[in-house]
Amino acid sequence: DTGVSQDPRHKITKRGQNVTFRCDPISEHNRLYWYRQTLGQGPEFLTYFQNEAQLEKSRLLSDRFSAERPKGSFSTLEIQRTEQGDSAMYLCASSLAGGRSYEQYFGPGTRLTVT
Amino acid sequence: LAKTTQPISMDSYEGQEVNITCSHNNIATNDYITWYQQFPSQGPRFIIQGYKTKVTNEVASLFIPADRKSSTLSLPRVSLSDTAVYYCLVGDTNAGKSTFGDGTTLTVKP
Repeated sequence: DTGVSQDPRHKITKRGQNVTFRCDPISEHNRLYWYRQTLGQGPEFLTYFQNEAQLEKSRLLSDRFSAERPKGSFSTLEIQRTEQGDSAMYLCASSLAGGRSYEQYFGPGTRLTVT
Repeated sequence: LAKTTQPISMDSYEGQEVNITCSHNNIATNDYITWYQQFPSQGPRFIIQGYKTKVTNEVASLFIPADRKSSTLSLPRVSLSDTAVYYCLVGDTNAGKSTFGDGTTLTVKP
């Protein structure tokens, strides 16, 4: 257990439905990241926050995806009008900015299946 | 972010030392080299990070030559539980975006 939690762990939804995932980072960490990972591939960066500010968003992220971190603590990732291509593991990570370490602590992930 | 190249897969036997090399020809002055380990259905886990020469911790060593264009992760005396995917990342520690490649799948056999 890294101290980063994600909920739910698994989500099955029908194409066209909206889904929302939650991530609770390590409490003192000011950075929070979202990644997507499909089978056989490495994690793909989606977006990251420093405190409540969303500082970077991947160009691969379509307008159907939105992420928030309203109080600089937990974060949510919403996917609207899900498509079968959205099926993947969604990973959240947190870290402490400003140090010399590139160490990110990952949660267990949320596995999304779109039918 | 510097592009990295790793072998797709490696096989080893229990008790052997495993060395996984990562090429990063375009590494920048401010970039650090970081390695992660990932087991199936889990998030990646930080193993080690270095800037130059050699870094050692309780699980691995990281060797970085003077030109820093490559690095080698060394796992001493591997066991079956070291079977995993290993990722090499190169980047500025203050940068937000992290680029994982497809990693090296290490299979340790009895």
